[in-house]
Amino acid sequence: DSGVTQTPKHLITATGQRVTLRCSPRSGDLSVYWYQQSLDQGLQFLIQYYNGEERAKGNILERFSAQQFPDLHSELNLSSLELGDSALYFCASRAGGANTGELFFGEGSRLTVL
Amino acid sequence: AQKITQTQPGMFVQEKEAVTLDCTYDTSDPSYGLFWYKQPSSGEMIFLIYQGSYDQQNATEGRYSLNFQKARKSANLVISASQLGDSAMYFCAMRESTSGGSYIPTFGRGTSLIVHP
Repeated sequence: DSGVTQTPKHLITATGQRVTLRCSPRSGDLSVYWYQQSLDQGLQFLIQYYNGEERAKGNILERFSAQQFPDLHSELNLSSLELGDSALYFCASRAGGANTGELFFGEGSRLTVL
Repeated sequence: AQKITQTQPGMFVQEKEAVTLDCTYDTSDPSYGLFWYKQPSSGEMIFLIYQGSYDQQNATEGRYSLNFQKARKSANLVISASQLGDSAMYFCAMRESTSGGSYIPTFGRGTSLIVHP
């Protein structure tokens, strides 16, 4: 158990819909990362938050947005969903400060868009 | 250009034997870190081992060791005494420091390891 909690574990929805994925980081971790894993693209970095502030952005579509709340949990919002958005979405957290920088991943939210 | 290259899409090994999973990387950042993660069929990503660019010795964690050859930019994972439970996807990743001081790990495409009894 990594200590990172993601909900829901599975989600099936239709094209054009909007979903919200939720992540609770490990206790004390200030950084939250979101990754998308699909068969054709591999594991792609989407966005990172640190203590409530956006820190880095990767290949995140404009239809996607995220935020980190004062209690450090994070949400990834996916809107106007397309078939190609079907993927496993991971949240990961990292301790702040000088450390090796390894990420601790949640179990992922598997999104299926029909 | 790919920052992390894993050239072996699939590997097979006999139980109790050792196996090496290849990883090469590309960076101009003098300070970087290399990681290996395991993803079993259940889907979760499990951190295995870390090697810092300034570390003089190869990292080891139980049956996992990282064969770090800095000049060749390679960071191969060696699993000794393979077990059936080692069957999984293995991902090599690298983190570099961005201009904002953040660390964004980049992942390779992974290697599927199957351990035969």
